[in-house]
Amino acid sequence: AQSVTQPDIHITVSEGASLELRCNYSYGATPYLFWYVQSPGQGLQLLLKYFSGDTLVQGIKGFEAEFKRSQSSFNLRKPSVHWSDAAEYFCAVAPNTGGFKTIFGAGTRLFVKA
Amino acid sequence: DVKVTQSSRYLVKRTGEKVFLECVQDMDHENMFWYRQDPGLGLRLIYFSYDVKMKEKGDIPEGYSVSREKKERFSLILESASTNQTSMYLCASRPPFGVFGNQPQHFGDGTRLSIL
Repeated sequence: AQSVTQPDIHITVSEGASLELRCNYSYGATPYLFWYVQSPGQGLQLLLKYFSGDTLVQGIKGFEAEFKRSQSSFNLRKPSVHWSDAAEYFCAVAPNTGGFKTIFGAGTRLFVKA
Repeated sequence: DVKVTQSSRYLVKRTGEKVFLECVQDMDHENMFWYRQDPGLGLRLIYFSYDVKMKEKGDIPEGYSVSREKKERFSLILESASTNQTSMYLCASRPPFGVFGNQPQHFGDGTRLSIL
């Protein structure tokens, strides 16, 4: 079955520290991959996407993600976290051969401490 | 910039009422979606519409229906609201699958619905 797993329900990091949020997927073929961020009371905003090509993808707000086919992973990273990065982060996959369904992970809530 | 607007940020209704949640997008997108979001469960797809008057059931359609009479507007209807439908509801839109593949979805700010 197709699925997306975000193993960490919540993570706390200090401001200025580095961040890595994990995402693993189970899919029949290499899907399209996305990371979204949701600030409190808001909808989801796209951070970055991977369709093909370079496996290291740059996104907005200083985020990047690396696609590793052998590990079925698409982890999100940021070298230095800011207090404004506190939010919930969702990994998602969508088929690369048509079809409408995007599967979302359960989310990881990021807390940033001063 | 794509704008997806949900008519209400917060809504309180009573059990048994018929509830309408409205969503409008301004980018002429063919595809529109309704999700509900619950803690620990992520986003679950209720219904999807790939064009005007076209709809497909998602993972949890029971107790819901939808209407897409115009391309820009996608309505979610709770036929007879129940307390277990208390949730955050998110609307999204995107272009159809094409040359550029499955494009990301654009989300509204959500409607937090409480059923008493």
